[in-house]
Amino acid sequence: DTEVTQTPKHLVMGMTNKKSLKCEQHMGHRAMYWYKQKAKKPPELMFVYSYEKLSINESVPSRFSPECPNSSLLNLHLHALQPEDSALYLCASSQGVGAGWGTQYFGPGTRLTVL
Amino acid sequence: ELKVEQNPLFLSMQEGKNYTIYCNYSTTSDRLYWYRQDPGKSLESLFVLLSNGAVKQEGRLMASLDTKARLSTLHITAAVHDLSATYFCAVDLPGNQFYFGTGTSLTVIP
Repeated sequence: DTEVTQTPKHLVMGMTNKKSLKCEQHMGHRAMYWYKQKAKKPPELMFVYSYEKLSINESVPSRFSPECPNSSLLNLHLHALQPEDSALYLCASSQGVGAGWGTQYFGPGTRLTVL
Repeated sequence: ELKVEQNPLFLSMQEGKNYTIYCNYSTTSDRLYWYRQDPGKSLESLFVLLSNGAVKQEGRLMASLDTKARLSTLHITAAVHDLSATYFCAVDLPGNQFYFGTGTSLTVIP
């Protein structure tokens, strides 16, 4: 199974809402990632979890809060977002982080719109 | 900071023609990846290149890596419409650094 799943596919939220994005993989990968992608731009790395511990936080605003409950699950909690946070949020996983990240397998993404 | 630049950014090519997309990066790395993204969709891994001189081929696409020149190429042979997509290269550096290129939007026209 080389699939990464993400829910929901689409999310519309107001600036005062709290919501969560979910990501799951069953490939036994020990690294999981959150990316943000704006239209016609490359993905921007937000967070990296390695062995369920946060290893990289690319100076992301605190209104984004990641969580890795176990090796298969990754959440992104959203609170008090701004309209400019509207984007495609991609989750990915790879075998590990350390001696190279390896091929990352991407989920289908969550299309987020902040009103 | 590492720069990963792709050339061209936009490419419109006729079916049946050949073309090459270039990926230049600004510091030493011997791990480079190519991904494909269809409009509104996620990224799909195409190739992993792990050493100088590495060459991988799949169908009409062939990727190569020259670590000394800090250059990777993605060559398209006899393009077909199904290859229309955005192609990203990505570079993997020691110290847990990973950077995507600027992307090349490819349109294959009949």
